[in-house]
Amino acid sequence: AQSVTQLDSQVPVFEEAPVELRCNYSSSVSVYLFWYVQYPNQGLQLLLKYLSGSTLVKGINGFEAEFNKSQTSFHLRKPSVHISDTAEYFCAVRRASGGYQKVTFGTGTKLQVIP
Amino acid sequence: SQTIHQWPATLVQPVGSPLSLECTVEGTSNPNLYWYRQAAGRGLQLLFYSVGIGQISSEVPQNLSASRPQDRQFILSSKKLLLSDSGFYLCAWQGSRGFTEAFFGQGTRLTVV
Repeated sequence: AQSVTQLDSQVPVFEEAPVELRCNYSSSVSVYLFWYVQYPNQGLQLLLKYLSGSTLVKGINGFEAEFNKSQTSFHLRKPSVHISDTAEYFCAVRRASGGYQKVTFGTGTKLQVIP
Repeated sequence: SQTIHQWPATLVQPVGSPLSLECTVEGTSNPNLYWYRQAAGRGLQLLFYSVGIGQISSEVPQNLSASRPQDRQFILSSKKLLLSDSGFYLCAWQGSRGFTEAFFGQGTRLTVV
């Protein structure tokens, strides 16, 4: 089974500063990795995903993430955050194979951008 | 393009009353469907998933049930709500072939009073 750990429940950062949201996963097989964003009282929106190939993945809203197999990490980064980035971010993992594969989510990291 | 509809957006129900939340998907066929519950600090808890009509798998024992009467319809129900059923419920779909990520509805905020 796969699992995901988001060590930081809350991350405050000043506007225009860089940010990194950490995600570590555990799996005995190859996986796909995802980052989702959730704004208050809304559903989750996909930011980016890693399936295979280049370990640096670029997503929407200027976010990117790097897959590190040796460290089993998939940290999310943005070089300069905006007030509008204030939201909760979820890392997720699923087994990299066909058919039905459950997606397992982390507990989320609340990003608070301070003006 | 594919879309997912979930309603109602908010719901306040008394303890002991029944519940029915509905989710429909458009623009795709034979999707995998999911119900999640979100509680503060606990992330998303998978409640049920379905890979086809009438096929429901439960992840955790609880006071809730799910049904899939049609290919693109997924219903979350309860006969008698408990206070602990309060939360934010999310429906999601995932393509059964060649798709990787899940796509979420806008959620239902359920408050049991």
